[in-house]
Formats: sequence, C-alpha cells, structure tokens
Amino acid sequence: EAGVAQSPRYKIIEKRQSVAFWCNPISGHATLYWYQQILGQGPKLLIQFQNNGVVDDSQLPKDRFSAERLKGVDSTLKIQPAKLEDSAVYLCASSLVAFGTAYNEQFFGPGTRLTVL
Amino acid sequence: SQQGEEDPQALSIQEGENATMNCSYKTSINNLQWYRQNSGRGLVHLILIRSNEREKHSGRLRVTLDTSKKSSSLLITASRAADTASYFCASTDSWGKLQFGAGTQVVVTP
Repeated sequence: EAGVAQSPRYKIIEKRQSVAFWCNPISGHATLYWYQQILGQGPKLLIQFQNNGVVDDSQLPKDRFSAERLKGVDSTLKIQPAKLEDSAVYLCASSLVAFGTAYNEQFFGPGTRLTVL
Repeated sequence: SQQGEEDPQALSIQEGENATMNCSYKTSINNLQWYRQNSGRGLVHLILIRSNEREKHSGRLRVTLDTSKKSSSLLITASRAADTASYFCASTDSWGKLQFGAGTQVVVTP
C-alpha cells in the first residue's frame, strides 16, 4: 500500500516570498491533516479536512496560511508571505476514520522541510 | 501550545538496555498514542492505549497509562540501534484530535 506522498521534500525561500506544499493521502482516507513541526517540538495541527471540507482550522494563521483539498483527495498548503518563524517541517497525514472518531491512527508523510531566510 | 511534556528530552543507551520515557498531558483524553520519528522522516504509529486501560504490550513495547496522574510511559525493552529515533506521545480527545508532546530523542549505540 502506498503511503502519504508529499512534495517538495525541501524548500528554501526568502522572507515575504510565497510557497506551496502538496500532499497526496493514502487512497480511500477521508481525513487529511496538515501539521507544523518546529525543530525540537512535536507536531502542531494546522488544519484538518474531512473529504473536501474543513473541520478544524483553529490553529491556522489565516492571514498568511491557506489550504485546500480539491475533490477530497490531494491537498495543498500555501504560505504567503512567509516569515522567518515559518521555518519548520510541514507534515501531512491521513486517516481512514471520519472526524469525530476517537480511535484515530494517522499515517504521516515524510514532510517538507521549509527554511525561510 | 503543546498538550503535554515528555521526559527525558534526550536519552542515550547501549544496545540491549531498556529505554523508558514519560509523558504528561493536561486535559481529559479518550486515548493516548505513541509515535516514532526517524531522522528526516514522518511519524510512525507505534501503539494506542485507551483511557480505560492501564497497560498494553506490543512486541518489545510496553505502555502504561495513569489517568489520575495524567501521565503515560513507554518502555522499549532490549533496545537495538534501529530504535534510535524521537518518540512522541499524542493525547487524543473524543473527536480524535491529537495533541503531541515535545518528544524524547533516543540514541542507541551498538
């Protein structure tokens, strides 16, 4: 079974530039998550989709971050404009179970390491 | 903010030794999960323990949960060099939302 795919794996940009990350979840997984993992910390949930609808974006900095999940499959996360503090690994995860199910094993992609100079 | 804390932050042991790491969380949980992250890779689910369970085993892994103290521990027995990774606990609420701790970095030397 193919895992969660993400691209690019690495990205270096200057502050105030824009950047986009792509995620392809495991086939059939209805729920998709984007996490931000700053060096030395655990992942922090940015946004959660159930099919193509947003169910939780409470920790997404909406003035600069946006995400979409077209057709309930692939997803993109965009940052515009980027700040120095956005340097982190951006992880995408997917889950077979629907939002609201407590027993929720998530499958993670390898992440995109973003460096903002 | 992170849901909880893990300690130690870092752990260095030799192959064959046991590794124990602890996790504390702040709010009520439905279950608690442990994940492993190898350098430069995504997280891999290790084990899930439900709030009404006190102990669970999976291979060389043993997890305990004390809901009265809002804490959990992960024990890796007979460690191997391949166990070198960061280990994260993630508390899960009734909606399935995970909140991760800061992780414990484990180094196992041959």
